[in-house]
Amino acid sequence: AQSVTQLGSHVSVSEGALVLLRCNYSSSVPPYLFWYVQYPNQGLQLLLKYTTGATLVKGINGFEAEFKKSETSFHLTKPSAHMSDAAEYFCAVSDRDTNAGKSTFGDGTTLTVKP
Amino acid sequence: EAGVAQSPRYKIIEKRQSVAFWCNPISGHATLYWYQQILGQGPKLLIQFQNNGVVDDSQLPKDRFSAERLKGVDSTLKIQPAKLEDSAVYLCASSFRQGASNTGELFFGEGSRLTVL
Repeated sequence: AQSVTQLGSHVSVSEGALVLLRCNYSSSVPPYLFWYVQYPNQGLQLLLKYTTGATLVKGINGFEAEFKKSETSFHLTKPSAHMSDAAEYFCAVSDRDTNAGKSTFGDGTTLTVKP
Repeated sequence: EAGVAQSPRYKIIEKRQSVAFWCNPISGHATLYWYQQILGQGPKLLIQFQNNGVVDDSQLPKDRFSAERLKGVDSTLKIQPAKLEDSAVYLCASSFRQGASNTGELFFGEGSRLTVL
């Protein structure tokens, strides 16, 4: 069975500072990996995904994540935080191919950006 | 392209009452999911449909929850009778336009927030 662990349920950074949100997964085979963002009272929106190929993936709003198979990690980063980045972020994993989409989610990390 | 539509956005009921949520996925998406998101937790899969068939309902509490997608398009999730612990946001998501590569990306609706008193 797959599982996702997000270290730190709350992360607070100053505007302009580096954002680092941590995600580790367990899976018997290399999975698809995702980061979603959820703004208050809204559904989840895809930030970025890793399926195959280059292990450093770039997403929307300046975010990127690196797939490290040896560490079973998929940490999310952004060089300079903006006030509009304040939201909840979810890491997710799914099987490949026919079962792709049936994702297992972490419990989320709430990002606060201080002025 | 229209996104995933859900209704109602908010619902407050007493325990032991019933409630139904409706979802219309993105046009052409074959796969539809219902997730339950309890406050402070990530979404948990309740049920997955492929067209009008159930692929996985292993996490659906079938004594009180039911879901259908009769024509392979929109879907309804019902809870009867509701318990206090059913208070959550119910998220509908869709994916996988048939004929395209399935890379697992989910497209979510805004969710239906249920409060059971």
